[in-house]
Amino acid sequence: SQKIEQNSEALNIQEGKTATLTCNYTNYSPAYLQWYRQDPGRGPVFLLLIRENEKEKRKERLKVTFDTTLKQSLFHITASQPADSATYLCALRNSGNTPLVFGKGTRLSVIA
Amino acid sequence: NAGVTQTPKFRVLKTGQSMTLLCAQDMNHEYMYWYRQDPGMGLRLIHYSVGEGTTAKGEVPDGYNVSRLKKQNFLLGLESAAPSQTSVYFCASDRVGGYAQPQHFGDGTRLSIL
Repeated sequence: SQKIEQNSEALNIQEGKTATLTCNYTNYSPAYLQWYRQDPGRGPVFLLLIRENEKEKRKERLKVTFDTTLKQSLFHITASQPADSATYLCALRNSGNTPLVFGKGTRLSVIA
Repeated sequence: NAGVTQTPKFRVLKTGQSMTLLCAQDMNHEYMYWYRQDPGMGLRLIHYSVGEGTTAKGEVPDGYNVSRLKKQNFLLGLESAAPSQTSVYFCASDRVGGYAQPQHFGDGTRLSIL
């Protein structure tokens, strides 16, 4: 069966450290993978997209990697801040015309 | 620029009552989606639409109906509400173009069925 798994429900880290979140998928062959941020009481907000031929993508303090052999994406936040505390969701499509499928998310807490 | 707007934001229903949730987007997006989000379950797709007048079932369509009479609006209906439908409902939209298109979400409707 098809699955998207985010490694943990919750992750606590200290301010200034790098947070690393994992997204693993099974029985998908996505050409792209997306990451979203969700704050309490709000809808998810798109952060980054990475293509299968891109090993790494960066945006300010965010970095995403995509390993199609391992079927895994890693999402890094460097120099983390309390304002980075949120739930982070990975999502993928198996083909261009199918809806996005989301992982359950990882709730990140950055402690000052 | 409003993006995706959902109404109402909160609602309490009694079992057996009906209601309609409204989603409106002002980005001229072709695709629209309805999700429900429950603790520990993540976002699950209920129904979606790839254009005006078309709808399709998602992962959890039972007990819901949808209509897309205008490109900018996507309605989600509960004909006879059940406690199992207590959830947070999110609407989203994106452009034609598939893979690379990010979805834009509303801020949700919190629905409680007593």
